[in-house]
Amino acid sequence: AQSVTQLGSHVSVSEGALVLLRCNYSSSVPPYLFWYVQYPNQGLQLLLKYTSAATLVKGINGFEAEFKKSETSFHLTKPSAHMSDAAEYFCAVSDDSGYSTLTFGKGTMLLVSP
Amino acid sequence: DTAVSQTPKYLVTQMGNDKSIKCEQNLGHDTMYWYKQDSKKFLKIMFSYNNKELIINETVPNRFSPKSPDKAHLNLHINSLELGDSAVYFCASTHRGRSTGTTEAFFGQGTRLTVV
Repeated sequence: AQSVTQLGSHVSVSEGALVLLRCNYSSSVPPYLFWYVQYPNQGLQLLLKYTSAATLVKGINGFEAEFKKSETSFHLTKPSAHMSDAAEYFCAVSDDSGYSTLTFGKGTMLLVSP
Repeated sequence: DTAVSQTPKYLVTQMGNDKSIKCEQNLGHDTMYWYKQDSKKFLKIMFSYNNKELIINETVPNRFSPKSPDKAHLNLHINSLELGDSAVYFCASTHRGRSTGTTEAFFGQGTRLTVV
């Protein structure tokens, strides 16, 4: 069975500050890992994905994440937060068994203050 | 062009009613899903269909019945709606290519169901 733990239901940063959203996973097989963003009353948009290629993955809107197998982590970072980054962020794991259902973390709300 | 579209976006209905949510994808994907997002924003898989066939049914009450008339459509019918069914329901799709593996999931905008 797979699982994802996102540390911190809310993270607050100032505009221009570093964003760090934490994600740890548990998987018995090599995982595929994803970060999705959800803006209010919107669907989920893919930020980036790890599929066993490069361990440092760059995504949209300046976000990136690093896969660390030894730490079973896939933390999301952005050097400088913008007000428009305020949203709910979900980390998810899939085993690419063929039908690739996603197991999501509980989400982290990113709050950005001026 | 909307890749994964759901209708309606909002649905308010009384307990005991039967309602349907429709989903269509124009991506040519072969696998479609329904996810439920509860009031605490937690997302959980409900069903997965591959080429119109049910693959995964995650202990969802049998009041929920998905129907896939073709691989571009996956509808969700809910009988005898209960207060606890209030949630946002998301449709998604993926595709498994022989050389590319499985794509990431593309999500619809969600249907906010409120049962009163």
